[in-house]
Amino acid sequence: DAKTTQPPSMDCAEGRAANLPCNHSTISGNEYVYWYRQIHSQGPQYIIHGLKNNETNEMASLIITEDRKSSTLILPHATLRDTAVYYCIVRVDSGGSNYKLTFGKGTLLTVNP
Amino acid sequence: DTEVTQTPKHLVMGMTNKKSLKCEQHMGHRAMYWYKQKAKKPPELMFVYSYEKLSINESVPSRFSPECPNSSLLNLHLHALQPEDSALYLCASSPVPWAGTGGYTEAFFGQGTRLTVV
Repeated sequence: DAKTTQPPSMDCAEGRAANLPCNHSTISGNEYVYWYRQIHSQGPQYIIHGLKNNETNEMASLIITEDRKSSTLILPHATLRDTAVYYCIVRVDSGGSNYKLTFGKGTLLTVNP
Repeated sequence: DTEVTQTPKHLVMGMTNKKSLKCEQHMGHRAMYWYKQKAKKPPELMFVYSYEKLSINESVPSRFSPECPNSSLLNLHLHALQPEDSALYLCASSPVPWAGTGGYTEAFFGQGTRLTVV
């Protein structure tokens, strides 16, 4: 019951910007968009989150469209160590005032030398 | 300390064995989670503990039994598992549960326990 859609895979040249898209057309007005990544055989790692405005931190930038139906994660200068599966996540209502993080299929980003 | 520590890192168990996975965090987080991840698949939520109480059970078979003895510790007790239960088991914690206000809370994940059932 993931509420996001991402391309299954993308390639990027080392040193170039990686732009990872995500569709979340059913997102409600007060829901955040979260991005995590998972490097092979490691636990998922938080990258960034956003609500309406664009966000930037030391790892990445997040661009959210005005209608909030989609977003793009930008890694400005991709390195080989950025090769990972990137997950765009929106919180899911589990009922009884409980919510949960449900992972979609994610995008495998491969950074090539 | 921003770590979630899981032990053991690897576990091989027979179908008649009883074993436990352990997860620990010392960040004062009040929500803890168990996820199961099969190869080349995304993590799947199993259980959520909010303030030491089980708040979400994603219809997990009873051969998996979670326990939260205190706010820092989360266990997953395993009994009579099947080979198809072999997977990476991930623990996570967050400062507060994913509450109904839509507020932000970040989840920190451990490195997982690689479980093989033989």
